[in-house]
Amino acid sequence: DGGITQSPKYLFRKEGQNVTLSCEQNLNHDAMYWYRQDPGQGLRLIYYSQIVNDFQKGDIAEGYSVSREKKESFPLTVTSAQKNPTAFYLCASSPQHASTDTQYFGPGTRLTVL
Amino acid sequence: GNSVTQMEGPVTLSEEAFLTINCTYTATGYPSLFWYVQYPGEGLQLLLKATKADDKGSNKGFEATYRKETTSFHLEKGSVQVSDSAVYFCALSSGNTGNQFYFGTGTSLTVIP
Repeated sequence: DGGITQSPKYLFRKEGQNVTLSCEQNLNHDAMYWYRQDPGQGLRLIYYSQIVNDFQKGDIAEGYSVSREKKESFPLTVTSAQKNPTAFYLCASSPQHASTDTQYFGPGTRLTVL
Repeated sequence: GNSVTQMEGPVTLSEEAFLTINCTYTATGYPSLFWYVQYPGEGLQLLLKATKADDKGSNKGFEATYRKETTSFHLEKGSVQVSDSAVYFCALSSGNTGNQFYFGTGTSLTVIP
């Protein structure tokens, strides 16, 4: 089955630590995205990548970093510089970066800072 | 700029009631419009979409029509079921910014038997 996988499902971090969230897709999609979701709010874009070895900042990139070394993988690192990292993180992909393309979402990772 | 305004929730309906969730948008260019559904603890699933004015998206009994004159994309269903209980998100993708999505804040729907 084609789809997007995210791991882990739950992640706990101590203050001052960096953590990396995994996102893998086998849909052969060119574009991938990371969003943050907070309770009662919509999704906010952190980073996106249209092709391998290229990525762009979204609306709330501060305190986050990404890489896109392979087409199928787009890991997100939450650094210690992110002041309030507790949230639900969603990865998505789309065939290309066209405005008519649907974005397909993974199941999410819930990050809690202890 | 681009933004989506969604009807405030939560919404509680009895089974078989008619559902409307309002969504209006502001966009530059020619946006595509989407409705996504999210069940507790899960990611978002596409419910329906429309890519140009007057298009109607439909899926699983849900419908929404892209109205450029009123900048709206309201979600409707004639008879809701308990299994429709979820959070619904309206989103747009503006032609001027590639496929960057802009989401509404979500509307929580609970359907009671």
